[in-house]
Amino acid sequence: SQTIHQWPATLVQPVGSPLSLECTVEGTSNPNLYWYRQAAGRGLQLLFYSVGIGQISSEVPQNLSASRPQDRQFILSSKKLLLSDSGFYLCAWSVRAGINIQYFGAGTRLSVL
Amino acid sequence: QQPVQSPQAVILREGEDAVINCSSSKALYSVHWYRQKHGEAPVFLMILLKGGEQKGHDKISASFNEKKQQSSLYLTASQLSYSGTYFCGTLPTQGGSEKLVFGKGTKLTVNP
Repeated sequence: SQTIHQWPATLVQPVGSPLSLECTVEGTSNPNLYWYRQAAGRGLQLLFYSVGIGQISSEVPQNLSASRPQDRQFILSSKKLLLSDSGFYLCAWSVRAGINIQYFGAGTRLSVL
Repeated sequence: QQPVQSPQAVILREGEDAVINCSSSKALYSVHWYRQKHGEAPVFLMILLKGGEQKGHDKISASFNEKKQQSSLYLTASQLSYSGTYFCGTLPTQGGSEKLVFGKGTKLTVNP
């Protein structure tokens, strides 16, 4: 069966510090991968999605970036965090050629202070 | 284009029914429903594909009217465990690279 791992679960970082969140998927090949951000009490904002290694589409201009160095690995990064980067970050995957049911990781709660 | 969900919030007593609606201004291929409990990740509930089918999952069912570009989620005889925020996600076409667009969510609270 397929599983998605996301870490860390919580993170407290000072403003201006770098960020690296990692997500890996097991039990499937060639998945679509997604990064979402959810502000407190708000909806799901798509940040990045990837249909293959090295292929990243950005949905929102910001100081975040994403990379996909391996087929089942998706990394969210920032060189300098802003206060507004605080939120709940969710990684998700879906089957490449299908009806795009998305399965979410447990999420990372990021607090930028 | 982001689908519109209504109502934004609903409060029920255990055993009562609720309907959550999801509307789009674009033609849809599929509608996906997810539930997110507080502090947790969204969990997939069900998918409705073009064709107007209705699906059920225990006491939670959904319908999809492709002509009206609307879907409704029906929660019957609600249980405390139904509490959470419900999101609909829509796809305009079939295909693996299309992005699912989520509504803003409907917060459901079930009280004893």
